[in-house]
Parts: sequence; structure tokens; C-alpha cells
Amino acid sequence: EAGVTQFPSHSVIEKGQTVTLRCDPISGHDNLYWYRRVMGKEIKFLLHFVKESKQDESGMPNNRFLAERTGGTYSTLKVQPAELEDSGVYFCASSFSRDEQFFGPGTRLTVL
Amino acid sequence: QQPVQSPQAVILREGEDAVINCSSSKALYSVHWYRQKHGEAPVFLMILLKGGEQKGHEKISASFNEKKQQSSLYLTASQLSYSGTYFCGTESQDNYGQNFVFGPGTRLSVLP
Repeated sequence: EAGVTQFPSHSVIEKGQTVTLRCDPISGHDNLYWYRRVMGKEIKFLLHFVKESKQDESGMPNNRFLAERTGGTYSTLKVQPAELEDSGVYFCASSFSRDEQFFGPGTRLTVL
Repeated sequence: QQPVQSPQAVILREGEDAVINCSSSKALYSVHWYRQKHGEAPVFLMILLKGGEQKGHEKISASFNEKKQQSSLYLTASQLSYSGTYFCGTESQDNYGQNFVFGPGTRLSVLP
């Protein structure tokens, strides 16, 4: 069974540009989570989808971040416009029940 | 590669102690510990850096044996609130900042 996949694995953009990260959860997992790890710091929760609905988006840092999950399958996280402090690794995780989460490999975002 | 956690699950009575282990096949730069409660996002507990750190957080402490590429999380006099899934996350030395991987988790249940 395929695990959680994320695309791209690494993205390098300039300040002010737009970047879209994608997460494909494990098939059948209604719960999808986004996390971010800034270099040298702990992982922080961004938001939680249940199917296509945002269950909890309390961790979204500001309105430059927009997450969507159309149809309750894959999810995208768009950063527009990107700032230097947005650099880090963005993790996605999915779960069947609201329990054990399976994490993806992460997308490394570098904003220059 | 994903770190290995043991045990996969543990059941305790309130007041008992537990140890959760995390090991990696790669030389580690840091180990992170998180606790996730049912239906919630993981909560950061602590980071240990190479150099053989040991840290404490209330009755929860952890050690990091850099040479053995292992970390252990110690839960002393467990409380009901300790129940949840504990994840370790490892960062390898050969690709610092670019290779953060979560372990599969250890499910801890504390009973009254």
C-alpha cells in the first residue's frame, strides 16, 4: 500500500513568488494534516482536514497560506506571496480514524 | 530511513513508569519527541541534540545516546493525561536540516 506522498520534494523560490505544495494521503484516509518545521525548531501544526472540510486551522500563520482539499482526496497548500520566514519543511500526514497519523516525507521550501 | 520505536504499545496503571525507545540506523544530529492525543495534533515535548543530552519536562525526561543512535523517553509516575501516541522524530547528521523523519509511534494507555 502506498504511503503519504508529497510533491515537490524540494522547492526553491524567490521572495514574493507563489508556491503550491501537494499532499496525497493514503487512500481512504479522511483526516489530513499539514505541519511545518522551521529550521532548528520543532514541528508546528498548521491545519486539519476531515474529508474536504477544515476541522482546525488554528495553526495557519497568516492569510498568505491557503490550504484546500477538493473532493476530500489530495490537498494543496499555497503560499502567496512567499516570505523568507516561510522557509522550512512542510509535512503532511493522514489518518483513517482520528488516531495514528502516517506522515509523508515532507517538502523542503526555500525562499530566497 | 524511518526510526524504529519500541514498544509499539504499552498499557500502564496510574503511577507506573514507562520507557519508550527510538533508534535509527543513521548517525543522528537531533531527536525530537512529540505526544499526540486522540483526535488532536501532535504536541512538542522536547528536542535533544547530539552530544548526549538529557532533558526533563515535569515527570517526562529523555536521553540521547549519539553513539548508539538511540533516544529514550522516560515517563515517571504516569498520569492519566499521559495517554496518547508518542512519536520520535530524527534528524540525521549526513544531511542536516533536510532529512527529518518521524517514527511510527508508540501508543501509551494509562489506566486508573
